[in-house]
Amino acid sequence: EVKLVQSGAEVKKPGEALKISCKGSGYSFTSYSLGWVRQMPGKGLEWMGIIYPGDSDTRYSPSFQGQVTISADKSISTAYLQWSSLKASDTAMYYCVRRGGDSSGCFDSWGQGTLVTVSS
Amino acid sequence: EIVMTQSPATLSVSPGEGATLSCRASQSFSSNLAWYQQKPGQAPRLLIYGASTRATGIPARFSGSGSGSDFTLTISSLQSEDFAVYYCQQFNNWPVMYTFGQGTKLEIK
Repeated sequence: EVKLVQSGAEVKKPGEALKISCKGSGYSFTSYSLGWVRQMPGKGLEWMGIIYPGDSDTRYSPSFQGQVTISADKSISTAYLQWSSLKASDTAMYYCVRRGGDSSGCFDSWGQGTLVTVSS
Repeated sequence: EIVMTQSPATLSVSPGEGATLSCRASQSFSSNLAWYQQKPGQAPRLLIYGASTRATGIPARFSGSGSGSDFTLTISSLQSEDFAVYYCQQFNNWPVMYTFGQGTKLEIK
């Protein structure tokens, strides 16, 4: 069974750094891309970026380029999303997603979500 | 950048009836279109990919259709567990971009 298990909820202050994680299991971690999707409170889904752990090729949505960093450690089957300086507007639920193996570009598995709250 | 527009924003339907949700793209693209269902407090789950292929374990009452810039999710004979928010999502492979629609809330009438 494919599983994506994300790290727990975080409460941070503006300006602080943060790195959240997503551990994949039940499949070949290096063979599928992993992405991140943001959902602000009461709002819809926004794709942030995606990484192919096999070669670390990473692509970002223009809306998030330069705002976050996506990385992966294939030795422990874990992907990361990090911020160097959080803003209140980063308050949201963040989902880790696995891109399906076909060419359709769908996200066939989702993590449980990590709630990030940024407040002074 | 392709913009995905879903309609209606909210759809009120009685259990047992059918529902048709629309997703329109600002420009035509391949059939790289997926549909997701999200219930309150839960992560979304994949329903349909490639515009018309049901994901593993998805009941046959869910069907997807369309091509070019107009896509539809049809749910026949709504069950109580089907009332949720539905999102469409498009994939473009150059430049790499994944775009979601703003969602349609399917509520009990």
